[in-house]
Amino acid sequence: ETGVTQTPRHLVMGMTNKKSLKCEQHLGHNAMYWYKQSAKKPLELMFVYSLEERVENNSVPSRFSPECPNSSHLFLHLHTLQPEDSALYLCASSPVYGGTNEKLFFGSGTQLSVL
Amino acid sequence: DAKTTQPPSMDCAEGRAANLPCNHSTISGNEYVYWYRQIHSQGPQYIIHGLKNNETNEMASLIITEDRKSSTLILPHATLRDTAVYYCIVRNRAGSYQLTFGKGTKLSVIP
Repeated sequence: ETGVTQTPRHLVMGMTNKKSLKCEQHLGHNAMYWYKQSAKKPLELMFVYSLEERVENNSVPSRFSPECPNSSHLFLHLHTLQPEDSALYLCASSPVYGGTNEKLFFGSGTQLSVL
Repeated sequence: DAKTTQPPSMDCAEGRAANLPCNHSTISGNEYVYWYRQIHSQGPQYIIHGLKNNETNEMASLIITEDRKSSTLILPHATLRDTAVYYCIVRNRAGSYQLTFGKGTKLSVIP
């Protein structure tokens, strides 16, 4: 148990659906992250939030929309996805953004399949 | 961030030490070396990190060469639960907070 919880663990959706991924951290951290891991590819950083402000956005298509209502919760809203968006979506948190204590704590991820 | 090179796969007998190498020949003076691992179907797990000196914690030891161009992660007594992909990452503290994961080393611990 890492203190970072992601739901759901598995999600199957059609290309016209709208769904949301949820991440919650119980560690008192100030920074939260979304990563994407496609099959046989390295992890790709998607978004970073620090104290509920988005600080990094790595050229992610607009069909992915993040939301950070407070420092403990992070959402990834999905709409009109493509089959190539099927991947493991990982949430992570760290005590601060860019600080000296730089360990990332990851959740178990949501395995997304887009049909 | 400096690029890292790791062997794609390694085997280790259960109970023996697992030594995972990493080359980072373009590392700069203020870049730390981080190690994470990812067990199948789980998120990556932090193991250890260091700058110049060797480091040890309850999970592993990190040996960094004097010129800092390579490092070795040591799992002193590998168990079957240590089977995972191990990532060596070098990043700049002062730069963008991007933890760039490569392909890592797939460690298989064999009974």
